[in-house]
Amino acid sequence: DTAVSQTPKYLVTQMGNDKSIKCEQNLGHDTMYWYKQDSKKFLKIMFSYNNKELIINETVPNRFSPKSPDKAHLNLHINSLELGDSAVYFCASSQTGVDEQFFGPGTRLTVL
Amino acid sequence: AQSVTQLGSHVSVSEGALVLLRCNYSSSVPPYLFWYVQYPNQGLQLLLKYTSAATLVKGINGFEAEFKKSETSFHLTKPSAHMSDAAEYFCAVSDRYGGNDMRFGAGTRLTVKP
Repeated sequence: DTAVSQTPKYLVTQMGNDKSIKCEQNLGHDTMYWYKQDSKKFLKIMFSYNNKELIINETVPNRFSPKSPDKAHLNLHINSLELGDSAVYFCASSQTGVDEQFFGPGTRLTVL
Repeated sequence: AQSVTQLGSHVSVSEGALVLLRCNYSSSVPPYLFWYVQYPNQGLQLLLKYTSAATLVKGINGFEAEFKKSETSFHLTKPSAHMSDAAEYFCAVSDRYGGNDMRFGAGTRLTVKP
């Protein structure tokens, strides 16, 4: 059973479109995250949720909106996609905010 | 706020040679420290972690790291590199007293030459 899963794995879309990425974890963790990894492999935290409550909201354009319907799911919706949004987006989860994180396989977003 | 610095964005070793990947941390409180590995087209997976027990931490695939408070370092080593070790390696730090704020280094790409 996959611990942290993301869909879709690849997403190719045009500028200006709206898209969503879904994440689910079956580890029973309370904390979930979204990260953006650029082409140089730099990993930047975007959001952190603890038990459905937003904890961290880094300097991210408000076109990005996370939604956590329950503590096992954390989805990322992106409005008005721009070329600079092209990256790999990783979802992760952990039991608490200081514990090791378990990462999903990533979603490669390409904006044309 | 805590942070980590990985020295060397790219390290190249020969198969069978020692692997040494450097990580220095900055934290105002005792940290938790982690090393993660990312193979091509995959997510990150934990190699090992330091949470204040033994200062020498052993991880998977023969890797180990030593926490040195005096040097604020947590370098990753492996005595003998395998081709399969080629990957991106990330050092990370979190504040053991709370917060949902694990900070990752910029990563070090390890290349293993035959």
